[in-house]
Amino acid sequence: DAGVTQSPTHLIKTRGQQVTLRCSPISGHKSVSWYQQVLGQGPQFIFQYYEKEERGRGNFPDRFSARQFPNYSSELNVNALLLGDSALYLCASRQSGSSGNTIYFGEGSWLTVV
Amino acid sequence: SQQGEEDPQALSIQEGENATMNCSYKTSINNLQWYRQNSGRGLVHLILIRSNEREKHSGRLRVTLDTSKKSSSLLITASRAADTASYFCATAGANSKLTFGKGITLSVRP
Repeated sequence: DAGVTQSPTHLIKTRGQQVTLRCSPISGHKSVSWYQQVLGQGPQFIFQYYEKEERGRGNFPDRFSARQFPNYSSELNVNALLLGDSALYLCASRQSGSSGNTIYFGEGSWLTVV
Repeated sequence: SQQGEEDPQALSIQEGENATMNCSYKTSINNLQWYRQNSGRGLVHLILIRSNEREKHSGRLRVTLDTSKKSSSLLITASRAADTASYFCATAGANSKLTFGKGITLSVRP
């Protein structure tokens, strides 16, 4: 079975531009979360979606938004990019919205803002 | 903000030795999960331990949880060069989001 898949793997954007990152969860998983990992730090929670509804939001500005589609895939959008948005963006999936399940991560999307 | 604090921040051992990594956290949890990350790649799930469990094993991994001390430890026995990576503990509360520490860099010398 395929794991969590993310695209693109790497991308470079200019300050002020917008970016869309994509994620497909493990088959049968209905919950998707997004995390940002800055170099040298642990991942920071951005959003969680379950059954297409937002279930949680981390301490990120409104420039960050996300959505989940009927097939449970998800997109993370970041507008008006800043240099500080350069990071590894990780998508994670779990079977349900409850906190008792193992959470699986994808390989991430490396975003560089220049 | 990061809840978990791993200790030590970096660990260097010889192949075949055991590696012990510790994690402390601040608030009540539903479960605690350990992950491995190789050089900027994605996180690989190692083990999940629930708040009502005290110890779990998986292959060469042993995880303990002490909720009274709000701490967990990960033991990797008979380490291999391939175990070289960063290790993170992550706590999950009732709201199901994971809160990570800064990670431990493990180097296993051949």
